[in-house]
Amino acid sequence: DTAVSQTPKYLVTQMGNDKSIKCEQNLGHDTMYWYKQDSKKFLKIMFSYNNKELIINETVPNRFSPKSPDKAHLNLHINSLELGDSAVYFCASSRSDTREAFFGQGTRLTVV
Amino acid sequence: GNSVTQMEGPVTLSEEAFLTINCTYTATGYPSLFWYVQYPGEGLQLLLKATKADDKGSNKGFEATYRKETTSFHLEKGSVQVSDSAVYFCALTFNQAGTALIFGKGTTLSVSS
Repeated sequence: DTAVSQTPKYLVTQMGNDKSIKCEQNLGHDTMYWYKQDSKKFLKIMFSYNNKELIINETVPNRFSPKSPDKAHLNLHINSLELGDSAVYFCASSRSDTREAFFGQGTRLTVV
Repeated sequence: GNSVTQMEGPVTLSEEAFLTINCTYTATGYPSLFWYVQYPGEGLQLLLKATKADDKGSNKGFEATYRKETTSFHLEKGSVQVSDSAVYFCALTFNQAGTALIFGKGTTLSVSS
């Protein structure tokens, strides 16, 4: 039973398209995150939600819009995809009192 | 600001060699410290953690001690195996709202038999 699951695992799409990545966690955590890992493996926080409320919104183009319908789900929608958006996107979750994050398998997004 | 600095890789070792991956941090306050590991094609897994000064985290033969005086959290293993080949990330965070893990740039470890 996967703790943090993301779909899809791979996503290849053309420039200008709109795409979504879904994330679900079954750990009962109250905080969820989206991280971006670039081609050099560097990980950077994009967004964080606590109990469906956005609490971290880093300097990310407004083409990226997270949505949290409930505590167990955090989706990422990306409009007008650009070549530079190609990366691996990781969803994670944690309890707000420990911040020990559990990560999904990642979604490798390739924009062509 | 808060940041994590890791030694540059790649680190290449023979099986059964001793491993050290250096990690230092800059933080305003007292963070919790973590080591995560990423195997090829997979997500990150928590390897070990320490939440206060002088705590030692350990798991699967890996160890790291939270050193406040040197702001360090170096990862060590006495005898590496080929299966330890992966990317290792040092990270910090704070137990307060509005914070998330801040990662170092990662260190690639390659172990040959």
